[in-house]
Amino acid sequence: TQLLEQSPQFLSIQEGENLTVYCNSSSVFSSLQWYRQEPGEGPVLLVTVVTGGEVKKLKRLTFQFGDARKDSSLHITAAQPGDTGLYLCAGVESGNTPLVFGKGTRLSVIA
Amino acid sequence: ETGVTQTPRHLVMGMTNKKSLKCEQHLGHNAMYWYKQSAKKPLELMFVYNFKEQTENNSVPSRFSPECPNSSHLFLHLHTLQPEDSALYLCASSLGASLNTGELFFGEGSRLTVL
Repeated sequence: TQLLEQSPQFLSIQEGENLTVYCNSSSVFSSLQWYRQEPGEGPVLLVTVVTGGEVKKLKRLTFQFGDARKDSSLHITAAQPGDTGLYLCAGVESGNTPLVFGKGTRLSVIA
Repeated sequence: ETGVTQTPRHLVMGMTNKKSLKCEQHLGHNAMYWYKQSAKKPLELMFVYNFKEQTENNSVPSRFSPECPNSSHLFLHLHTLQPEDSALYLCASSLGASLNTGELFFGEGSRLTVL
């Protein structure tokens, strides 16, 4: 079973639309990260959330960590073609457990 | 040159070949990692090195052999691979020594195709 479930798996939208992608688990995480991977590149960290209920904003991107620290969401306002890429969530359960990744949501924003 | 650099970017090899992937980080980090990225699968952690010492080996087959001569360089030696080993191999580094400390900085990856 997959520890971190990301949905949707694929998303194709028009420029200017809003969207939300999700990262869910039955496990509690001490911290959760979101990365974006553009075609031909490695993943780049967007944000780290550590507190249940925490909301962080990065320009048009809003990240939320669930109150129970089992899930997270990423909302993009007025999507642009430059937002195209694979969005990965990754979490740490506790202590010295390694960072585990979800399969990702592949976003395509069409101009 | 900054960040994490991987070479080669693309590699095609036969099942009997021996090749190596190279990773170099210019960030002054203490930990380096190898990940495997396959289609429809999450990123899989393969190896972790902290201060040149291997601290994690996630049940990786012996046909993959890592080498970390110093904190800035990491190699993945490949020997008698299988077609299912075809994937994007990503190197990453992080400042801290523990597996879950802070941000991972990834290289651009080495796309491996095994024929």
